[in-house]
Amino acid sequence: AQTVTQSQPEMSVQEAETVTLSCTYDTSESDYYLFWYKQPPSRQMILVIRQEAYKQQNATENRFSVNFQKAAKSFSLKISDSQLGDAAMYFCAYRIKLTGNQFYFGTGTSLTVIP
Amino acid sequence: DTEVTQTPKHLVMGMTNKKSLKCEQHMGHRAMYWYKQKAKKPPELMFVYSYEKLSINESVPSRFSPECPNSSLLNLHLHALQPEDSALYLCASSLKGERGWGTDTQYFGPGTRLTVL
Repeated sequence: AQTVTQSQPEMSVQEAETVTLSCTYDTSESDYYLFWYKQPPSRQMILVIRQEAYKQQNATENRFSVNFQKAAKSFSLKISDSQLGDAAMYFCAYRIKLTGNQFYFGTGTSLTVIP
Repeated sequence: DTEVTQTPKHLVMGMTNKKSLKCEQHMGHRAMYWYKQKAKKPPELMFVYSYEKLSINESVPSRFSPECPNSSLLNLHLHALQPEDSALYLCASSLKGERGWGTDTQYFGPGTRLTVL
């Protein structure tokens, strides 16, 4: 079974500080993609960052970076210099490369940013 | 342009009504998806269309009927819904419908918030 676990239902961070959201997944596949999506309250779900399983280098997008540990099946998201606009639900997801269309989502982490 | 549009934004319907949700993208994506999302929960996959053909149906009740008239348009027809069907319905699209090939990021629309009375 393909599962994605986000063990932190809620997190909070002080503005300008750094926070790390955790994600683990279970798959027997070796070639897949990993994603973090952000969904602000009553707003659209947007892609934050993505990682290809075969790439050892961790992906970064401005203040967002990941710590990808393939052997441990771990894919955490680090947000640096947190801003009020970072407050949202964050979903970790992955997609197996060869079976095409299905994305598997974690249960989400609700991030609060404290001014 | 990475835009997926959905109409209407909000919909209130009775249990005997028939209504439709519409989703549109002009990014040349050949895979399109319907998800149902309850508050503070992850999206639940309902249907996937790949090259305008239904490729995944996640055992969704027949009161939900998807349609993909062309590569840019995806509809979800609703009939005789139940109050528990009230949710945010999300449409998404991705570049390739077949196996492998690229990162196939899903791009989501803003959703239709459906209330069934």
